[in-house]
Amino acid sequence: QSVLTQPPSASGTPGQRVTISCSGSSSNIGSNTVNWYQQLPGAAPKLLIYSNSQRPSGVPDRCSGSKSGTSASLAISGLQSEDEADFYCAAWDDILNGYVFGTGTKVTVL
Amino acid sequence: QVLLQESGPGLVKPSETLSLTCTVSGYSIRRGYYWGWIRQPPGKGLEWIGSIYHSGSTYYNPSLKSRVTISVDTSKNQFSLKVTSVTAADTAEYYCARDFSGCLDYWGQGTLVTVSS
Repeated sequence: QSVLTQPPSASGTPGQRVTISCSGSSSNIGSNTVNWYQQLPGAAPKLLIYSNSQRPSGVPDRCSGSKSGTSASLAISGLQSEDEADFYCAAWDDILNGYVFGTGTKVTVL
Repeated sequence: QVLLQESGPGLVKPSETLSLTCTVSGYSIRRGYYWGWIRQPPGKGLEWIGSIYHSGSTYYNPSLKSRVTISVDTSKNQFSLKVTSVTAADTAEYYCARDFSGCLDYWGQGTLVTVSS
């Protein structure tokens, strides 16, 4: 039921910058804020970015989020091996009247 | 520190009811916020199931609404999930989380529920 589309994978070498896109529509990203979650292997998801671009306490400023129109993106700069994880965007959808997650992106550090 | 812990049977038979409880510590459910359930089939993505306010007000994923009930017990600082008529498609890791206007800021560690005879 994923109505938010993300690339299946992204990769980079240590120190590089990786960007993940999240494409939605006017009923979700276009009219509501976007949150991003990081899921390390074998662990529960963790809130990484909320309200499009805000970082919870403890999240490094290497991570940043932005939104424009019906798309959002997550950028991780200074890539580190511990950044290897699955990343999910999420937003409320006014038509489905529910909370929807993106399809997920697996980030690999080469 | 807000901590959430899921508990319940790890194996449920097809057509039966899946029941899970989330115990919250470090924060009183009565103080506010919604409290939600999310699941993740093995090797797949996340799916929001629904959320409940301390008053009992709920909202559910429309695709699951007919089979799902979420309830809250503020005296025990717990909230619960029931999914009826389960099939193999309900096999998943089930997570509970604090829901701050759609922002899931604290998560439990998750519990795997397998639907099998």
